[in-house]
Amino acid sequence: GAGVSQSPRYKVAKRGQDVALRCDPISGHVSLFWYQQALGQGPEFLTYFQNEAQLDKSGLPSDRFFAERPEGSVSTLKIQRTQQEDSAVYLCASSGPGLAGAGEQYFGPGTRLTVT
Amino acid sequence: AQSVAQPEDQVNVAEGNPLTVKCTYSVSGNPYLFWYVQYPNRGLQFLLKYITGDNLVKGSYGFEAEFNKSQTSFHLKKPSALVSDSALYFCAVMNSGGYQKVTFGTGTKLQVIP
Repeated sequence: GAGVSQSPRYKVAKRGQDVALRCDPISGHVSLFWYQQALGQGPEFLTYFQNEAQLDKSGLPSDRFFAERPEGSVSTLKIQRTQQEDSAVYLCASSGPGLAGAGEQYFGPGTRLTVT
Repeated sequence: AQSVAQPEDQVNVAEGNPLTVKCTYSVSGNPYLFWYVQYPNRGLQFLLKYITGDNLVKGSYGFEAEFNKSQTSFHLKKPSALVSDSALYFCAVMNSGGYQKVTFGTGTKLQVIP
């Protein structure tokens, strides 16, 4: 596709439910990032993949958060036993290889998660 | 560790006037620096970046930014503001020696007044 897509766009979960958020990066982009963005704040890094390898998961707030990218393209961010503090917009971004793509990330529209 | 500071939560400027949105950074090694813009109800969009070379970089929509190594700053500028420039602007930094982890600032809301 032309850009990064994410689904669902909106998700309401009851506290304690598990959720799965999907990201389709730009075709050919080897790097994929997940961010959490609270209202009025900048994106906070969660995790990073290079192809199928998860190279950095230092930003995941707890062991309830899990991300995967098994075939090096589509990625899923899973949150188990959701809590109210998980309510945020979850952004996915991808970027191309090499110096030209360095840091130039293409963002999806985000998934707004509300935990009630 | 790397970090970005955007000291102004909001910047107001009259249409047609020049605008500046400030950013300072901290990173070990040489920085790669970026500006992103977020329009209401839309995703983050890449605006411009400094990798190496000329300290003045030009980007989309007439924006430019100046890299100042001694002041560790990367301020965003535009000679003449448009109402349509009103949005949330994020500065970001990456360590050139590391992998592509980008750290974002907290954002500055730009309000261009007609």
